[in-house]
Amino acid sequence: AQSVAQPEDQVNVAEGNPLTVKCTYSVSGNPYLFWYVQYPNRGLQFLLKYITGDNLVKGSYGFEAEFNKSQTSFHLKKPSALVSDSALYFCAVRDFLGFGNEKLTFGTGTRLTIIP
Amino acid sequence: EAQVTQNPRYLITVTGKKLTVTCSQNMNHEYMSWYRQDPGLGLRQIYYSMNVEVTDKGDVPEGYKVSRKEKRNFPLILESPSPNQTSLYFCASSFFGQSTDTQYFGPGTRLTVL
Repeated sequence: AQSVAQPEDQVNVAEGNPLTVKCTYSVSGNPYLFWYVQYPNRGLQFLLKYITGDNLVKGSYGFEAEFNKSQTSFHLKKPSALVSDSALYFCAVRDFLGFGNEKLTFGTGTRLTIIP
Repeated sequence: EAQVTQNPRYLITVTGKKLTVTCSQNMNHEYMSWYRQDPGLGLRQIYYSMNVEVTDKGDVPEGYKVSRKEKRNFPLILESPSPNQTSLYFCASSFFGQSTDTQYFGPGTRLTVL
């Protein structure tokens, strides 16, 4: 089965500084990777995905993620953090279940806090 | 507005009292799914449905039931809730074949079982 790991439960960043939220993956075959964000009292929202192509993927709200095959990583980044970026971030990988079915397997989440 | 709705948003109940959490989407999605979110465990899939009358177990199906009689609705049923089912529950939907491309999530239902 495919899996992702988010090694940091909590990340604190000063407003205006660059931020990185880490994710590593373990898959057989080519990985399909995703980032979702959860704001307080809200459901998850899609941020970006990597399927194939450029290793640097751009997404919503100024976020981007870098796919690194040699390090099996898919870290989420933003050049300049905003207080409004404070949220819970989930990395996910597509898991093929057979018979044309598939699902998302999520990491445990990283709480990002931007300090004014 | 495209959305996934869940009701209720908050529920406190007692052990053994049957309950249903409703989920509805207005995007004509074939694929629907239920997750539970627990601290330190992320989101785990409970059940999913690829279309009307087609459902299957996810990673943690014990103690839950689902049905898919209409395309837009996918209720989650707890026949005899227990305290270990206290959790935050999310319904999600997407087009089949793009089932993991962009999933749309409901706002969540926070369930407490006493």
